[in-house]
Amino acid sequence: DVKVTQSSRYLVKRTGEKVFLECVQDMDHENMFWYRQDPGLGLRLIYFSYDVKMKEKGDIPEGYSVSREKKERFSLILESASTNQTSMYLCASSFALISYNEQFFGPGTRLTVL
Amino acid sequence: AQSVAQPEDQVNVAEGNPLTVKCTYSVSGNPYLFWYVQYPNRGLQFLLKYITGDNLVKGSYGFEAEFNKSQTSFHLKKPSALVSDSALYFCAVRDGSSGTYKYIFGTGTRLKVLA
Repeated sequence: DVKVTQSSRYLVKRTGEKVFLECVQDMDHENMFWYRQDPGLGLRLIYFSYDVKMKEKGDIPEGYSVSREKKERFSLILESASTNQTSMYLCASSFALISYNEQFFGPGTRLTVL
Repeated sequence: AQSVAQPEDQVNVAEGNPLTVKCTYSVSGNPYLFWYVQYPNRGLQFLLKYITGDNLVKGSYGFEAEFNKSQTSFHLKKPSALVSDSALYFCAVRDGSSGTYKYIFGTGTRLKVLA
């Protein structure tokens, strides 16, 4: 079974802090994604990566950056955390060569910014 | 542009009754359609997908979904609901003709199955 793990389930940070969210997948997937989930808004794509060192902006990239130095690891960085970034963050991965493959999700990180 | 609509925020159904969770979509090319389920404090789990072929797709836990091209819908169904089906359900679409890696998700429908 594909396993996608995220470094923390719950995280509390202060405004202005730099925050790192880590995601690791063990199935050699090319594609990796970061979403944030907010009530009533569903999942919104922040960034995705289709290969090592390759990234593309999603729908809401402002205030975020990403890093993919190794195929299995995709990091989301909040450069200077703000209270409006309090949310559930979900990482996902998928196999790229078959374009209709489903995504596999991690358990999520619930981030609170005070 | 791609879009997905889940018109109901919440669906309530009695245990043992059939359930339907609605989804409509808009893409310019061929749609790849997905349903996911999210249990409390968990990530999303894949239930089923439509790529091509038979309009009725069967998935995990007894769920199925019907693709209707003329109505641009992909409703999730189950003949007999269980209390354990209570969760948040997301519909997602990907435009199979565009070459994009993006999946667009609906806002989610909370299913509550009453004992």
